[in-house]
Amino acid sequence: AQTVTQSQPEMSVQEAETVTLSCTYDTSESDYYLFWYKQPPSRQMILVIRQEAYKQQNATENRFSVNFQKAAKSFSLKISDSQLGDAAMYFCAYSRYSGGGADGLTFGKGTHLIIQP
Amino acid sequence: DTAVSQTPKYLVTQMGNDKSIKCEQNLGHDTMYWYKQDSKKFLKIMFSYNNKELIINETVPNRFSPKSPDKAHLNLHINSLELGDSAVYFCASSQKGTKNIQYFGAGTRLSVL
Repeated sequence: AQTVTQSQPEMSVQEAETVTLSCTYDTSESDYYLFWYKQPPSRQMILVIRQEAYKQQNATENRFSVNFQKAAKSFSLKISDSQLGDAAMYFCAYSRYSGGGADGLTFGKGTHLIIQP
Repeated sequence: DTAVSQTPKYLVTQMGNDKSIKCEQNLGHDTMYWYKQDSKKFLKIMFSYNNKELIINETVPNRFSPKSPDKAHLNLHINSLELGDSAVYFCASSQKGTKNIQYFGAGTRLSVL
């Protein structure tokens, strides 16, 4: 079974600085997808960024970027120029590549990100 | 228009009751899901469903059952509610061929007293 581990229950960063959230996963599959979701206090789950395992290039979305190391099974999220609105729980998630089948996401336990003004 | 909507947002009920949570998506997606988020914020897949298959997480008690009247709806029925069922339940949807990007509803907080 696949597992996702987030080793940092909580991280704190000063506004405008950069922070990196860690995620490792375990799988025997060669094709899969990885995601970072954000959950602010409103409870809504918001997709931040995603990565396909077959792509070597790291995904970026504005201030958010990932460092994907397939051999090490590591998928960290870097947030640049942190803003107060970035404060939230961040979840790393894994999905098997199923060719279109109904595959649920396997989540890590989350990292609570605090932004210090 | 909300893409994935769940009702109700909050549900308070007594142990032993039967309750349902409704989910509707207007994205035209072919796959829907139910997740449970416990008090420690841990999210776990309960069901995945498209018009061809239902995948049930083996740890989900059979008191929980998904029901899909059509492709846009996946409701969650819970029988004989227990204290341990208290959690936030999220519905999500995705479309085949879109790399399993899932869109979530706002969640339903279920409190069993």
